[in-house]
Amino acid sequence: QQQVKQSPQSLIVQKGGISIINCAYENTAFDYFPWYQQFPGKGPALLIAIRPDVSEKKEGRFTISFNKSAKQFSLHIMDSQPGDSATYFCAATAGTSYGKLTFGQGTILTVHP
Amino acid sequence: ETGVTQSPTHLIKTRGQQVTLRCSSQSGHNTVSWYQQALGQGPQFIFQYYREEENGRGNFPPRFSGLQFPNYSSELNVNALELDDSALYLCASSLANRGSTDTQYFGPGTRLTVL
Repeated sequence: QQQVKQSPQSLIVQKGGISIINCAYENTAFDYFPWYQQFPGKGPALLIAIRPDVSEKKEGRFTISFNKSAKQFSLHIMDSQPGDSATYFCAATAGTSYGKLTFGQGTILTVHP
Repeated sequence: ETGVTQSPTHLIKTRGQQVTLRCSSQSGHNTVSWYQQALGQGPQFIFQYYREEENGRGNFPPRFSGLQFPNYSSELNVNALELDDSALYLCASSLANRGSTDTQYFGPGTRLTVL
C-alpha cells in the first residue's frame, strides 16, 4: 500500500515536444506529491510539488496534473529541451509519516536536439 | 545559505566492515532523512532524525543506525557491510514539525561500494 508506481521507465522526446510521466499511488493518506529531477552523480533536486486540494499546478514549463479519485498524478514538461535530459522521480508522503518520501522507480528522459 | 553537504563523496569497503557517512543539513533545517538509492532505482527511506531523535524508520535492519547532533548534522552508520549495501546514500534536510510534510532538500550523496 506504500508503493508509488511510475511509468514509463524511459522516454525519448524531440526538442520542443511534450514529455509526460505518470505515477499512481495506493495509500490514500498521501497528501504531498513532489517531483524530483536527478542528473548523473547528483542528488535529486525538487522540481515541483502539489497537494491534493488542487488538480493542477504549473511552474514555468513544468505542470503537475492530479486526479485524486483515480489516485494518479503526472508531470508534463512543455517545450522539452536537451538540458531537461535527466532521471525524474515522483514521490509521495503523508503528514502522519513525518516526511518519509516514497519514491517511484524513476523515468529516464532523453530529449534529442 | 549553504545547501546540504555529504562526506565522503565515494567510499570503498569490504564485506563485514563498518562505515560512517556524514551529512550537514541546510542552514536553518532541523530534520535529516537518509535514503539508500540502488543503481537504477528510486531512493528508499532508511530513517529520519528530528531534534536528535529517530523519527521514523523504513524497512532496514538494525545494523543501519544513525545520530543527529545539536547542530542538526547527522551520521549514518552501517555495520557488518553486505554486498547489497553498495548504493548511493542520500541525505535530505528539511525544516519540519511533527506531522508536517515540508520540502526535503537532498545532498549530492555518498557512493558506497562494498567488495
